[in-house]
This record gives sequence, C-alpha cells and structure tokens, in this order.
Amino acid sequence: SAVISQKPSRDICQRGTSLTIQCQVDSQVTMMFWYRQQPGQSLTLIATANQGSEATYESGFVIDKFPISRPNLTFSTLTVSNMSPEDSSIYLCSVEDKDRVYGYTFGSGTRLTVV
Amino acid sequence: DQQVKQNSPSLSVQEGRISILNCDYTNSMFDYFLWYKKYPAEGPTFLISISSIKDKNEDGRFTVFLNKSAKHLSLHIVPSQPGDSAVYFCAARGGADGLTFGKGTHLIIQP
Repeated sequence: SAVISQKPSRDICQRGTSLTIQCQVDSQVTMMFWYRQQPGQSLTLIATANQGSEATYESGFVIDKFPISRPNLTFSTLTVSNMSPEDSSIYLCSVEDKDRVYGYTFGSGTRLTVV
Repeated sequence: DQQVKQNSPSLSVQEGRISILNCDYTNSMFDYFLWYKKYPAEGPTFLISISSIKDKNEDGRFTVFLNKSAKHLSLHIVPSQPGDSAVYFCAARGGADGLTFGKGTHLIIQP
C-alpha cells in the first residue's frame, strides 16, 4: 500500500487566516482525495485532485474556500481559506490503493482548530 | 441526507466475545462496501470490503455480511481482542470516485 505523509498534524489558527495542508505520497497516483471530518460527523469528501487538471469539488465545497494544488503525481495541497470556527475539523488526504480493489489509503490527518 | 448510516455511536463488548457492528445505506447505486478502523490521531486504515454481488466476505477474525434487499451490512469480529478497540467506519463506493462514510461506531473491548 502507498504511504502518505501529511502535515501539519495539527494547528491552531486565528479566524480570517488560511492554512495549507500538504500530502506527499511515496508512489505515483492518478487521483488524490481530500476529506473533512467535523466533530462527531462522518468523513466527507471535499474534492478529487487529478494531476494537470482542476480539482473536482463535491456539493457544498467551492474552490475559493478550499483551493487545491496537484503539481505532480506524488503531491497535493489543500488550503483552508479565510477560516472561521466552523472550519475546525480533521482534514485527511487519501489515495487509491493499487493492491486492493477500491481500497483507499489515508494520511494521518490534520487536526485544525480555529479560534 | 445521510446515505450511509451507523446508528450506534458506541458499542461495548467483552474480550473474547463477538462484536457486531451494523451499517445501513440508502443508495442502491453503491457497488462496493468497505470497513475502516481508526485509532486516535491516526488516519483510517482499511479492514475488509465486500462487493455488492456477494453476501459474505471473511478475513481471519473479520467477516462482513451484506443484505442487499435490506440495504444493510454488518461487520463481525470474533473473538474480540483489546486491540480491536477503535472507531469503525462503514463506507460505500458507487459511481463517482471517493467514498461515502458513516459517522462511525466506537467499539470498546472490555477485559
């Protein structure tokens, strides 16, 4: 399975600021996925990032709020912009596991607290 | 509208007994179901999966059962061990990329 390095692991940010989360994969992958887990809620897909094209956002998520970069096949960033306390969540990146049908590997997550 | 539902936020089971975690779904387009296990401060890790064309898949102590007519699946862990204490997420895939998750069930294995 792919190994994902995600950072930062946690951060406390002031409202109105932005935070960029990085995900590095140890192998080349076509698609990378970004999820959010709000307190007490399920993991919700934010967007799918393909290298060389614009990310595809799920309903309720927009590029201005969550810009994503995918400069190559092993790296992606998610920025949480103009943060408010409602953005306090765990953010996770994920890739498909080539060794397992529809299996997905996840990073360890970024726990974001907005104050 | 929650398409994947785990109605039990927590479950406590004695060590050595069977743990049964349940999951219901509403979208009949889902074609693959997965269970993930999550420890605190870690990302979810894949546990077991099942295709919609099957009704059972077994891997060691873990068995997943799928009842398509009831849109229900369950994860059985037997025997339960202390290391099984974690949050278990039911997830489904269908059509689009990515997964749809339930809210998770916190399994506590008591000695």
